[in-house]
Formats: sequence, C-alpha cells, structure tokens
Amino acid sequence: GQQVMQIPQYQHVQEGEDFTTYCNSSTTLSNIQWYKQRPGGHPVFLIQLVKSGEVKKQKRLTFQFGEAKKNSSLHITATQTTDVGTYFCAGAEGKLIFGQGTELSVKP
Amino acid sequence: DGGITQSPKYLFRKEGQNVTLSCEQNLNHDAMYWYRQDPGQGLRLIYYSQIVNDFQKGDIAEGYSVSREKKESFPLTVTSAQKNPTAFYLCASSIEQGYTEAFFGQGTRLTVV
Repeated sequence: GQQVMQIPQYQHVQEGEDFTTYCNSSTTLSNIQWYKQRPGGHPVFLIQLVKSGEVKKQKRLTFQFGEAKKNSSLHITATQTTDVGTYFCAGAEGKLIFGQGTELSVKP
Repeated sequence: DGGITQSPKYLFRKEGQNVTLSCEQNLNHDAMYWYRQDPGQGLRLIYYSQIVNDFQKGDIAEGYSVSREKKESFPLTVTSAQKNPTAFYLCASSIEQGYTEAFFGQGTRLTVV
C-alpha cells in the first residue's frame, strides 16, 4: 500500500540555524500537505502543494514538491523557539497518509 | 463556532472492555478520519469515511470499529480485540477525502489498565 517516509525523525538546532525535513512517497501523489503539531496539541494544517515542481513560501518556511510528485521538503530559515514542534507531511491519493513526522527542538 | 470536537480528552478503561470515542464536526465536511498516534510513529490511519453510511479500513483497522450514520458524527469503538489500545487518538475531517486540508480535533488520550 501507499507509504510516506519522512526524515529525520528528530532534529535539534540552535536558534537561528536552518532546518529541513524531507518526505518521500512510494507512489505518485495527487497532492502533498504539511502539518505542524505543537507539544501536547493536535496537527494544524500549514500548506498544500499540488503541482509538479511547485514551491511555496510562508515567511521563513519554504515548501517544495518534487518534479515526479513523489517527494517534498520543508525548509525553515533562521529557526525560532516558536518553531518547536513536530512537522508532518501527508500524502494524498484518495486517503490521507501521514509520514512519521520530524520533531524539531530549538535551543535558545 | 465551527469545528471538530472529540470527547473526552482523557479516558481510562480496564483491559477487556470496549470503549467508544466520540467525534463530532459542524463544518459540513463529507470526509472524516480516525488516526492513532504513538511516540515516534506519526499518525496511522485506522478508518476513514467519505460519505454517510460508508467507511473504509485504514492501515491498522484490526480491533477497531466505526459507524457513520450521520454526516457530522464518526464514533470509534476500541474493542477488546485491540492488543495495544493505549494511545492518543485523533479525529479529523475535510471537505473532500484526501484533496483538501484536514481539520483535527483536540484528541483523546486513552489509557487501558
């Protein structure tokens, strides 16, 4: 069945450093979505990518969708303590399948 | 105030008992989902439903059951057949299955002792 793999599982950075998480699907996706879950909270939608090669930015966050629509990445520039949480990608091919998530911790 | 509501937030049950987790949404969404979250394993799909009176098994449906008798409600029953039921359960809904953003409830943390 459809699988979505996400790496790394954990990332510890110093405040101000950059952060990237990668997502790979075993199948071609119709779209990919990114979510953030703060500690103790529930996942909150960040963005959806639909087109091959699409790049979207939200302030310090940059999201990319691969040309083959099987991989994606989220890059955060100059991390802040407010970025702490777990970032999930979710591949959509009918149902929504989530990756394992990358837990980001930021040291002030 | 629109949203998706899960209750209760914390639930304790004895081993061998069935338990039903509530999920209600007033967003008029067609699609609803149940996920299980364990540390280090992300969100795993238990069941999903695209329309009323129809639902499909996800990746880890064994030991769980659902119903979708009303558009706004998608309760999940954790049966005694589920070997490791202690987990954080998240319900979500979206306008259209898999193609639009999903809105999550606050989650129910189930502990079976």
